[in-house]
Order: sequence, then C-alpha cells, then structure tokens
Amino acid sequence: EVQLVQSGAEVKKPGESLRISCKGSGYSFTSYWISWVRQMPGKGLEWMGRIDPSDSYTNYSPSFQGHVTISADKSISTAYLQWSSLKASDTAMYYCARRGIAARHFDYWGQGTLVTVSS
Amino acid sequence: EIVLTQSPGTLSLSPGERATLSCRASQSVSSSYLAWYQQKPGQAPRLLIYGASSRATGIPDRFSGSGSGTDFTLTISRLEPEDFAVYYCQQYGSSPPATFGPGTKVDIK
Repeated sequence: EVQLVQSGAEVKKPGESLRISCKGSGYSFTSYWISWVRQMPGKGLEWMGRIDPSDSYTNYSPSFQGHVTISADKSISTAYLQWSSLKASDTAMYYCARRGIAARHFDYWGQGTLVTVSS
Repeated sequence: EIVLTQSPGTLSLSPGERATLSCRASQSVSSSYLAWYQQKPGQAPRLLIYGASSRATGIPDRFSGSGSGTDFTLTISRLEPEDFAVYYCQQYGSSPPATFGPGTKVDIK
C-alpha cells in the first residue's frame, strides 16, 4: 500500500527554524517526484515546489523561492520542507504529494502537517 | 503563469441531483495536464480525475471529466451524501509547474 506519512503538528515562534518531513512507503521512492502544497486556513491549495528524490533536483514556485527549502534523503525515503526563519504568515497546513515522472497530477497525498507560528 | 478560475464558487444541491463544475484556464492547457481533486474538511485532497477525463483508481463512475483547451468540466451525475466537499482543478504547466483553481464548494441545499 502506497503511503506518504508526514510528521506531526508544530507550534513555533516567529524567527524560529523548522523542518517537517514526509516519508514514503509501499513504492519505489526514487521513481516519483514529491511536491509540497500549502493550504492557509480556510483557503485553497498552493503548489510550493518539488523534488526528484533520485538526484535531489528541485524547483520552486516563484512565490516560495527563497523562503523555503525542499530536500530529500532517499536512503530513508523521506522528503523535507524547511524554513530558516518562520513568520506568522507561514501558519498553514502543509501537504506532500506524489507525482509520477510521466504524470502531470498528484496521485497520493500525505495527511498534512499543521504549522502554527505565533508569538 | 496559467491562472485557473472555477465556477460557481458554491453549488447548493440536494442528494441525487447532478452537479456540473467548471474550470477555466487563462491560456490553453493540454488535456493531459488537467486534474480534479476532492477535499473534505480535515482531510487531504484526493485525486478524482486526471488527463481531463480519466478516473483515478477507485473513483466511482458517477464522477466524470471533460473539456479541452481552456474550458474543463467535472460532472457528478447523482450526488451521494459523501460527495459534498470542495473540488479543485489543477493544471501542470511551465512556471510554476503546477497551479490550482480556487475551488468549488458543493454543499447540501
């Protein structure tokens, strides 16, 4: 069974750093790209960026470039999303999602990680 | 950047009725690159339709997708109680590679 299991909810203060994770199982982790998607409270879905776990090649939405870093450790089938300095406006649910290399859609999603940034 | 617009914003219908959701793109989208997702409160999105008209694994045949170019449609032939949710279209393009529409909420009339 394909699963993407994300790390638990986080509560952080502005200026703090954070890394959240997404662990894939039930498939070949390096055969699918992982994207991260933001959903702010009561709002829609925003694509942030993606990584190819086979070579760690990344690309980002211009809206998120420079604000977050996406990485992966293929040895443990895990992708990461990290911030060096959180802002209150980073408060949101973050989802990881899998995309087949030849596909143009996201067929499996993680359960989401809620990040709350508040002083 | 390709911008997706969905209409209506909210669709109020009764179980058993037909739902027709629209997704319009600011420029032409390859049909292969258009997908639909369902999201229920407190849950992650779920893939319904990819390639504009192909149902994802396990999706009931009351869900169907159609369209090409800049106009795409998701149809739910007869609404079941579990179908009341928010629906997003998504396209895969160049920069940024993926964008989502703002969503259509289907709620119970």
